[in-house]
Amino acid sequence: EAGVAQSPRYKIIEKRQSVAFWCNPISGHATLYWYQQILGQGPKLLIQFQNNGVVDDSQLPKDRFSAERLKGVDSTLKIQPAKLEDSAVYLCASSFDGSYEQYFGPGTRLTVT
Amino acid sequence: DQQVKQNSPSLSVQEGRISILNCDYTNSMFDYFLWYKKYPAEGPTFLISISSIKDKNEDGRFTVFLNKSAKHLSLHIVPSQPGDSAVYFCAASAGGWNFNKFYFGSGTKLNVKP
Repeated sequence: EAGVAQSPRYKIIEKRQSVAFWCNPISGHATLYWYQQILGQGPKLLIQFQNNGVVDDSQLPKDRFSAERLKGVDSTLKIQPAKLEDSAVYLCASSFDGSYEQYFGPGTRLTVT
Repeated sequence: DQQVKQNSPSLSVQEGRISILNCDYTNSMFDYFLWYKKYPAEGPTFLISISSIKDKNEDGRFTVFLNKSAKHLSLHIVPSQPGDSAVYFCAASAGGWNFNKFYFGSGTKLNVKP
């Protein structure tokens, strides 16, 4: 079974630039999550999708972050414009409907200079 | 406000001995808990879970204990092996309509010395 795929793995941008991350969840997983993990901290949920609908985006900084999950499969997370404090690893995870267990991708390490 | 806390950033243990990783939480509504293990440059992988209706759950060398009155859980690894060296995260959920919204601790880096 293929795992959660994410790209790119690394990205370096200057502040005020924009960036986008892509995630392909495990086939059949209805729920998709985007997390932000700042160095030394645990993952923080940014947004959660159930199929292509948003379940929770209470911790998403909506003035600069956006996410979509077209057709209930792949998802993209965008930051525009980026700030220095956005430097972090962005993790995508997915889970079966009704399951607690989340499967994580390898993450994208973003550095904003 | 951090609702799940792992107060030990690191732990070093000799191979063959017991590793005990601790986690505290503040939200009394949390009723399901997970432990994840993370190797460098990889995403976290699920290790073991426990529901608030239990106080212990075992899976091979891994046992999780839950003390609801103290709002504390711990992960025991016996015997510890060098391959267990990783960062361990605990996570908690309050259940309900969004039962799989988890709050993560900051992690404990375990080093098992050969």
